[in-house]
Amino acid sequence: EVQLVESGGGLVQPGGSLRLSCAGSKFTFSSYWMNWVRQAPGKGLEWVASIKQDGSEKYYVDSVKGRFTISRDNAKNSVFLHMNSLRVEDTAVYYCASAPEVVPGPADYWGQGTLVTVSS
Amino acid sequence: QTVVTQEPSFSVSPGGTVTLTCGLSSGSVSTSYYPSWYQQTPGQAPRTLICSTNTRSSGVPDRFSGSILGNKAALTITGAQADDESDYYCVLFMGSGIWVFGGGTKLTVL
Repeated sequence: EVQLVESGGGLVQPGGSLRLSCAGSKFTFSSYWMNWVRQAPGKGLEWVASIKQDGSEKYYVDSVKGRFTISRDNAKNSVFLHMNSLRVEDTAVYYCASAPEVVPGPADYWGQGTLVTVSS
Repeated sequence: QTVVTQEPSFSVSPGGTVTLTCGLSSGSVSTSYYPSWYQQTPGQAPRTLICSTNTRSSGVPDRFSGSILGNKAALTITGAQADDESDYYCVLFMGSGIWVFGGGTKLTVL
């Protein structure tokens, strides 16, 4: 069964930086789009960013453009989310998700999530 | 800015059938929006039910089905069970690599 394990969350002050990591296993990582989806406390899901199999295409929700960067290392079966200039409103559980294999979609398999808290 | 709309809440009786919808504040949903559906219980990661309108994710029972009904995407649950009580989210593709989730529907089974 596909496994996705996020790490790197924690408490950070406004304006600070954090790097989230997601390690994939039990699937051919390099063949899939990868995504980050977040969920603020008590709120709904929000798509954050996507990256193509070879990293040649990246997309972001408007609210994080210029502050967040998605990247991947297929040799290490990992995807990352580099977060700079963090704001209180970025506080959320961040989920890593692999896209479906044969149809479009932002997520098929999900990790368990990692909590990012932005607070002074 | 186009908003993805979902019913805030819905209820269904055990064994019953319920259809949740996913629409747009402006315009109609079609298969070109590749609607997907997710189920989430409190404290858990989401679980994918349906991708691209009507493709069930691995292991999802055929009680769950997706379609386009009128101008909206729809998720139909037949033979509702107690453990179907969850939050359900849809997501639509807006073009240019952008996906937008709806606000979610809280389904109660009672």
